[in-house]
Amino acid sequence: DAGVIQSPRHEVTEMGQEVTLRCKPISGHDYLFWYRQTMMRGLELLIYFNNNVPIDDSGMPEDRFSAKMPNASFSTLKIQPSEPRDSAVYFCASSAIRGGMNTGELFFGEGSRLTVL
Amino acid sequence: QQPVQSPQAVILREGEDAVINCSSSKALYSVHWYRQKHGEAPVFLMILLKGGEQKGHDKISASFNEKKQQSSLYLTASQLSYSGTYFCGTGGISSGSARQLTFGSGTQLTVLP
Repeated sequence: DAGVIQSPRHEVTEMGQEVTLRCKPISGHDYLFWYRQTMMRGLELLIYFNNNVPIDDSGMPEDRFSAKMPNASFSTLKIQPSEPRDSAVYFCASSAIRGGMNTGELFFGEGSRLTVL
Repeated sequence: QQPVQSPQAVILREGEDAVINCSSSKALYSVHWYRQKHGEAPVFLMILLKGGEQKGHDKISASFNEKKQQSSLYLTASQLSYSGTYFCGTGGISSGSARQLTFGSGTQLTVLP
C-alpha cells in the first residue's frame, strides 16, 4: 500500500511568494495532520482534520497560513506571503482512529522541506 | 504543553543499553514513541495507554507511570540501526487518540560500532 504522499519534497522560494504544499493521506484514514519541524521548536502540530473537516487549527502560526481538505484523498497547506522564518520541514500525517480500537499510530509522509530566502 | 525529554543526547556502543525519559506537567492518558532517522519521517514505535503498562518492540520496550506522568523508553543491547532521534508524544484525552498530540523536543541517540 502506498504511504502518505507529499509534494514537493523540496521548495526554495523568495520572501513574499505563495507556497502550496500538498498531501495525499493513506486511503481509508479519516484523520489528517499537518506538522512543522524546526530545530528550535521541534515538531509542532499546525492543524488537523477529521473526515475532511478542520477540527483544531490553534497551532497555525498566523493568518498567512491556511489549510484545506476538499476531499478524503487530498489536502493543501498554503503560506501567503511566505517569510524566511517559515523555513522548516512540513510533515503531513494520517491516522485511522475509531473509538478505542486503534493504536492511534501516525503515518508520516516524507515531508516537504521549505526554504524561504 | 510540551513534554520534557531527557537526556537530550546519548552516545553508546553497540550492545549497550539506554533509557530515554519523558515527563509531563499535565495529566496523561497516553504516550506515543517515535523514532526519526536523519532526513526521514518519524516512524511509530509504540503507544502506551494505561498507567503502568509496558510494551515492547523488538528489544525496545517502554513503561508508563500515569501517577508520575512519566514514560521511559528502554533500548536493550542497542544496534547500529537504533541510531536516530526519539520523540515522545503525549495525549491528554480519549483512548489513544492522536488528537492534541504534543511532541517532546527529542533525544538524539547515536550507536557506535
